[in-house]
Amino acid sequence: EVHLVQSGGGLVTPGGSLILACAASGFNFTDAWMTWVRQAPGKGLEWVGRIATKRDGGTADYGAPVRGRFVISRDDSKTMLFLQMNSLKTEDTAVYYCAAGIVPARWGQGTLVTVSS
Amino acid sequence: SYELTQPPSVSVSPGQTARITCSGDALPKKFAFWYQQKSGQAPLLIIYEDNKLPSGIADRFSGSSSGTLATLTISEAQVEDEADYYCYSTGDSDSHNWVFGGGTKLTVL
Repeated sequence: EVHLVQSGGGLVTPGGSLILACAASGFNFTDAWMTWVRQAPGKGLEWVGRIATKRDGGTADYGAPVRGRFVISRDDSKTMLFLQMNSLKTEDTAVYYCAAGIVPARWGQGTLVTVSS
Repeated sequence: SYELTQPPSVSVSPGQTARITCSGDALPKKFAFWYQQKSGQAPLLIIYEDNKLPSGIADRFSGSSSGTLATLTISEAQVEDEADYYCYSTGDSDSHNWVFGGGTKLTVL
């Protein structure tokens, strides 16, 4: 069974940094493109970005609001996905989901990131 | 940047057919995907590649796409179908960037 278990998150002040982690199991992580999606309180889903498999180049692409501030990475040896968030703004406050696939069919449980002074 | 446009809300009575639309300039060339999200839960993929049903999804859900408009149809809507629905697609020729529609709140009562 596919499992995506997220950790990290919490309260951070504006301008600060935070890293989210996503532990994957139950599928061939090495062959999976992975995606991050967020949802601000009471708002809709927003695509944050995705990372290719190493075989497909391992590159990441990002949505415009986070480009240049967030970095997606992966550790295939540990089947882990990461989201490094820098220069955080209050508008980055959201539940963040990791998900498997370019078109995600399996999702983590979500983790709340609150950016506030 | 690319946008997908959905109506904010749709309301139907139980047993009626609900239709939720998604408009995007690239939809003639790109697939649309649909997610259902119930309160407090992660999204669930219910339609992929315009009109395909994932395993385990009720066949009262269906999808279609014509020109710049994709449509999610819920036949004989049930109270349990009350949720937020999002379309998802890409506007890039090389599919580097993806976007969700703004979401549609479906009310069944």
